[in-house]
Amino acid sequence: QSALTQPPSASGSPGQSVTISCTGTSSDVGGYNYVSWYQQHPGKAPKLMISEVSKRPSGVPDRFSGSKSGNTASLTVSGLQAEDEADYYCSSYAGDNNYVVFGGGTKLTVL
Amino acid sequence: QVQLVESGGGVVQPGRSLRLSCAASGFTFTGYGMHWVRQAPGKGLEWVAVIWYDGSNKYYGDSVKGRFAISRDISKNTVYLQMNSLRAEDTAVYYCARDNRLLSIDYWGQGTLVTVSS
Repeated sequence: QSALTQPPSASGSPGQSVTISCTGTSSDVGGYNYVSWYQQHPGKAPKLMISEVSKRPSGVPDRFSGSKSGNTASLTVSGLQAEDEADYYCSSYAGDNNYVVFGGGTKLTVL
Repeated sequence: QVQLVESGGGVVQPGRSLRLSCAASGFTFTGYGMHWVRQAPGKGLEWVAVIWYDGSNKYYGDSVKGRFAISRDISKNTVYLQMNSLRAEDTAVYYCARDNRLLSIDYWGQGTLVTVSS
């Protein structure tokens, strides 16, 4: 059982928007603004898409955006493209005791 | 460019030990914390351990506390993961990764597979 809860799957048609949630507690997501999102294609290493809740690293399309409300963080992918089909993982800093926790991952399908 | 190259994976019997290495290049090694993250076959990511940029602090995931140890050698720009008392559930691809100083992981290695089996 993962520390952060994500829906196992999400889907959308090309051009549409989809939002993936990531629910934690006040000890992780709700307690710190250190939520990250990673994209992983099959057989590949993960790629950082969002850090510090809503910051996009250089090179990440602005179609990807992040937000947080209380103990739940969200990743929104706008203008879905075929190459966005991948697994997405959230993570959060969880204090010195647990340090980093991941969500169970969400498989995004572009219909 | 930043490169992280893991090595040391393989097949090991339950209860035995294994040491993974991660050679880092393309950045100032002493300026960044380093993580190990693993992924069991067909499963999600699981954070394993982190060592601060100066080696002063180390933290571990609950499932590996007391069995695994992370270390770094600045003379070799290398991070290690010493894995003892291995169990079948430790079977996974182990990724070495760089902390971006903001508690995110901005660079990942290609991973090395550890299989614990008799």
